[in-house]
Amino acid sequence: QSALTQPRSVSGSPGQSVTISCTGTSSDVGGYNYVSWYQQHPGKAPKLMIYDVSKRPSGVPDRFSGSKSGNTASLTISGLQAEDDADYYCCSYAGRYTLFGGGTKLTVL
Amino acid sequence: LQLQESGPGLVKPSETLSLTCTVSGGSISSSAFYGGWIRQPPGKGLEWIGNIYDSGSTYYNPSLKSRVTISVDRSKNQFSLELRSVTAADTAVYYCARLTVGVTYYFDYWGQGTLVTVSS
Repeated sequence: QSALTQPRSVSGSPGQSVTISCTGTSSDVGGYNYVSWYQQHPGKAPKLMIYDVSKRPSGVPDRFSGSKSGNTASLTISGLQAEDDADYYCCSYAGRYTLFGGGTKLTVL
Repeated sequence: LQLQESGPGLVKPSETLSLTCTVSGGSISSSAFYGGWIRQPPGKGLEWIGNIYDSGSTYYNPSLKSRVTISVDRSKNQFSLELRSVTAADTAVYYCARLTVGVTYYFDYWGQGTLVTVSS
């Protein structure tokens, strides 16, 4: 079981949109609609932002959206704000296992 | 719902790391509960350690399976992690989290994390 593949970093200016990809296999991302995304600020615990590929928990702004195509899931953040500057991790159910991505550092310029 | 990790912050190499996650704001004995442990080495990403399901079934990361045990004590509203034969590579912030499953799968409530350093 290998970690899911994410870009190490992405960046965008306030108001712009960015997309973070998360690539797995047919045994994890592609096999189940159980991809979740977590935001982590330095020194803090991860926070659930998206679950089941595209659902948002209560309290998460609708600027955050998720999607999936084949073995790749994506997190899109529109209307970037300074507080979105953080690390983002994808996570996928894989039967008996759970996989996390390596994480993406989002820099809001 | 709140989760809080507790345990030694320093463990010697070859010894056993033991952590407890105390759940408050809800009883894990009166309703189905699923929990997980995740760790994060300093400056690195998240690594899934394992889950415990309401049935008592456990699922572990294959890379750690031979050294890990996750258990639950419903009377104390706690679940625990034991990692044996630790090395410096096991130094990390350890998080416990509630896992929501069914026709869904995600970690929705997390503890604040506890740093465990493996050193003599």
